[in-house]
Amino acid sequence: EAQVTQNPRYLITVTGKKLTVTCSQNMNHEYMSWYRQDPGLGLRQIYYSMNVEVTDKGDVPEGYKVSRKEKRNFPLILESPSPNQTSLYFCASSAGRGSHEQYFGPGTRLTVT
Amino acid sequence: SQQGEEDPQALSIQEGENATMNCSYKTSINNLQWYRQNSGRGLVHLILIRSNEREKHSGRLRVTLDTSKKSSSLLITASRAADTASYFCATDFSGGGADGLTFGKGTHLIIQP
Repeated sequence: EAQVTQNPRYLITVTGKKLTVTCSQNMNHEYMSWYRQDPGLGLRQIYYSMNVEVTDKGDVPEGYKVSRKEKRNFPLILESPSPNQTSLYFCASSAGRGSHEQYFGPGTRLTVT
Repeated sequence: SQQGEEDPQALSIQEGENATMNCSYKTSINNLQWYRQNSGRGLVHLILIRSNEREKHSGRLRVTLDTSKKSSSLLITASRAADTASYFCATDFSGGGADGLTFGKGTHLIIQP
């Protein structure tokens, strides 16, 4: 079954404690991206990757890092989380950038206290 | 970034009625996509319409695109309780850049039984 998986699904952590949210897709997609979703703000892109070892900033990259060492994986790293990073995070993948449908993961609800 | 904007923000109708949501955007696009999100879950792709297309159908969904007015509409006919969700338009702008789709803030649709 074609899917995008994210882990963990829920996470409560404290300010400053480094964390990683994993994302994996089984569709051999080249394009992957991370979004955060906040009430009243919709989905905002954090980072995206056009292919292995190619990543770039989206609209709200501050406080986040990503890596793309393998085609299927695109982890999101928060090296020093802060309360304003409390949000619902989605990973997505597609065969290309804007001209293809995106497949979304189930989401990771992060709370930083 | 240049978001599309959905209208209305929220819509409540009776089961069996038709639901219409609109999306407006500001600059030229390659294509426009509609997604559905059930509460707190990942987005699911519904339909993609290219800039040279005016109308597309998929089951009970009908999407129109008017590039002269920079707007699109999503019509759901014979609504069902299961259609209760948030609906987002996403635009692939043709002005260059490599950030893929840009999402609006969504229309929250409630179907009352």
